[in-house]
Amino acid sequence: GDSVTQMEGPVTLSEEAFLTINCTYTATGYPSLFWYVQYPGEGLQLLLKATKADDKGSNKGFEATYRKETTSFHLEKGSVQVSDSAVYFCALRGSGAGSYQLTFGKGTKLSVIP
Amino acid sequence: SAVISQKPSRDICQRGTSLTIQCQVDSQVTMMFWYRQQPGQSLTLIATANQGSEATYESGFVIDKFPISRPNLTFSTLTVSNMSPEDSSIYLCSVVTTGTEAFFGQGTRLTVV
Repeated sequence: GDSVTQMEGPVTLSEEAFLTINCTYTATGYPSLFWYVQYPGEGLQLLLKATKADDKGSNKGFEATYRKETTSFHLEKGSVQVSDSAVYFCALRGSGAGSYQLTFGKGTKLSVIP
Repeated sequence: SAVISQKPSRDICQRGTSLTIQCQVDSQVTMMFWYRQQPGQSLTLIATANQGSEATYESGFVIDKFPISRPNLTFSTLTVSNMSPEDSSIYLCSVVTTGTEAFFGQGTRLTVV
């Protein structure tokens, strides 16, 4: 079945540091890929998405590129802020007919210190 | 987009009791799902809530423990029955609209004592 493997956390960075959170997936066909963010005490919010190979999703300074050849969707940000402290989840939706539910990675907790 | 209202936002319950969580969406949606997020863990799909028919449960989840109702296209409930401390989790309602994006409620943080 489908699966998502995500970089283990927690990750602690200083403000303005470069962020990479690795995400690889296993799925048949051409899944859609997502990054969700969960701020403390809140639900999940979609951060960015990509629906086909070589697509780049971007939002709030975060980027991720759908790499079919390496089955990866790594999240990057050039300069993190304290307000980026949250848990980040990589997720996929399968490409099969009727596939609407998401498969999540385990989440990576990011703490950004001033 | 879709705005999801989930109630209650949190609760502390005695073991052996049941809790019903409500999920209200501001628009009609075809697909509604219930997820569980155990402490420090990722999200696990419990079931797909089907309008007008029985929910479709994932492996490891059964209707007797997690009965789900979906009377219309904007509302669903999840009941956690005969609770034990192992049921302490965050329960999240999710919907998929006409696009590929999934929206989530704020979650219900359940503690069973």
